[in-house]
Amino acid sequence: NAGVTQTPKFQVLKTGQSMTLQCAQDMNHNSMYWYRQDPGMGLRLIYYSASEGTTDKGEVPNGYNVSRLNKREFSLRLESAAPSQTSVYFCASTLAGVLGTETQYFGPGTRLLVL
Amino acid sequence: AQSVTQPDIHITVSEGASLELRCNYSYGATPYLFWYVQSPGQGLQLLLKYFSGDTLVQGIKGFEAEFKRSQSSFNLRKPSVHWSDAAEYFCAVASGGKSTFGDGTTLTVKP
Repeated sequence: NAGVTQTPKFQVLKTGQSMTLQCAQDMNHNSMYWYRQDPGMGLRLIYYSASEGTTDKGEVPNGYNVSRLNKREFSLRLESAAPSQTSVYFCASTLAGVLGTETQYFGPGTRLLVL
Repeated sequence: AQSVTQPDIHITVSEGASLELRCNYSYGATPYLFWYVQSPGQGLQLLLKYFSGDTLVQGIKGFEAEFKRSQSSFNLRKPSVHWSDAAEYFCAVASGGKSTFGDGTTLTVKP
């Protein structure tokens, strides 16, 4: 049981390049999330998927797109990377929808540097 | 909209001393409250959570937190801090499948 996995661990991009961050969970969770973490700003929600087939914007969606490929996988795409997107990106999942199950389980993070 | 405030950006305590990290939340109904810990270079890990019932909840690694509705607070405590507790701590409130996190408190432990 690997929990939540993310690839890649590190990435350096040039401004304007595109990339996709991958996330997968093996806990049969319904909901998945993408956050970015910047110093002194806690975690900010980019997009989330409450269930397979649905996605919704979070607090800071501009410059990102997501795909909920199936129940296990939730990818985050940067179409044209900008230096402001330099951050650490975390994927998380939760069973959700059931009382007592809203604990979020986090992946190890992807550290992205945009030059 | 729900919100979480962690008033202390950075706290330093001596090893063996007691610890209290503050968290205040804003939410209309009874919230689901969490404390997470993040070690350097790692993702967040759940320490403890409150949904209902006993307002004093116990977590892993000897941590506890007390829910005080009248003060809209959910402070994290530990009676004796260990050097391995040095990390960043996040308070969060959850509702409708989404969580809102505070900005975090960084704990430094002096030998």
